[in-house]
Amino acid sequence: ETGVTQTPRHLVMGMTNKKSLKCEQHLGHNAMYWYKQSAKKPLELMFVYSLEERVENNSVPSRFSPECPNSSHLFLHLHTLQPEDSALYLCASSQVRTSVNNEQFFGPGTRLTVL
Amino acid sequence: LAKTTQPISMDSYEGQEVNITCSHNNIATNDYITWYQQFPSQGPRFIIQGYKTKVTNEVASLFIPADRKSSTLSLPRVSLSDTAVYYCLVGSLNTGGFKTIFGAGTRLFVKA
Repeated sequence: ETGVTQTPRHLVMGMTNKKSLKCEQHLGHNAMYWYKQSAKKPLELMFVYSLEERVENNSVPSRFSPECPNSSHLFLHLHTLQPEDSALYLCASSQVRTSVNNEQFFGPGTRLTVL
Repeated sequence: LAKTTQPISMDSYEGQEVNITCSHNNIATNDYITWYQQFPSQGPRFIIQGYKTKVTNEVASLFIPADRKSSTLSLPRVSLSDTAVYYCLVGSLNTGGFKTIFGAGTRLFVKA
């Protein structure tokens, strides 16, 4: 257990559906991240929130919409996805400090399949 | 951000010491070197982090030469459960702290 939980663990959706992924961290961290990991590809950073403000958006299509209502929760809203969006979606959190590089704690991920 | 280069895969046997080297020729003065481990269908897990010389914790050692253009993760006496992908990351609070870039990693396979 890393202190970061994600729900659901598995999700199957059609291209016209709307769904949301949820991430919650119980570590008191001040930064949260969404990553995408496709089969046999490196992790791709999608979004970063620091102190509930989005500080990074790596050219992610608008069909992915993040939301960070507070420092403990992060959502990824999905709509009109494509089959190539099928992947493992990972959430992470970290405590940004001034002296060291921030260690990220990852959740177990949501395995998303788009039909 | 400094780009990292690692071997794609490595094989080892139980009980052996495994050394995985990462090249990061463009490492910046403020950059730290961090290693993560990832098992299939799980999120990466922090292993160790260092800035220079040698760092050791309960699971691994990290060796960083004076020029810091490479680093070596050393796993002592590996077991079957150490079979995983190992990622080397380079970054700092200002640049890499948020903009973390994972490379392809090194897939370690430990055999009995």
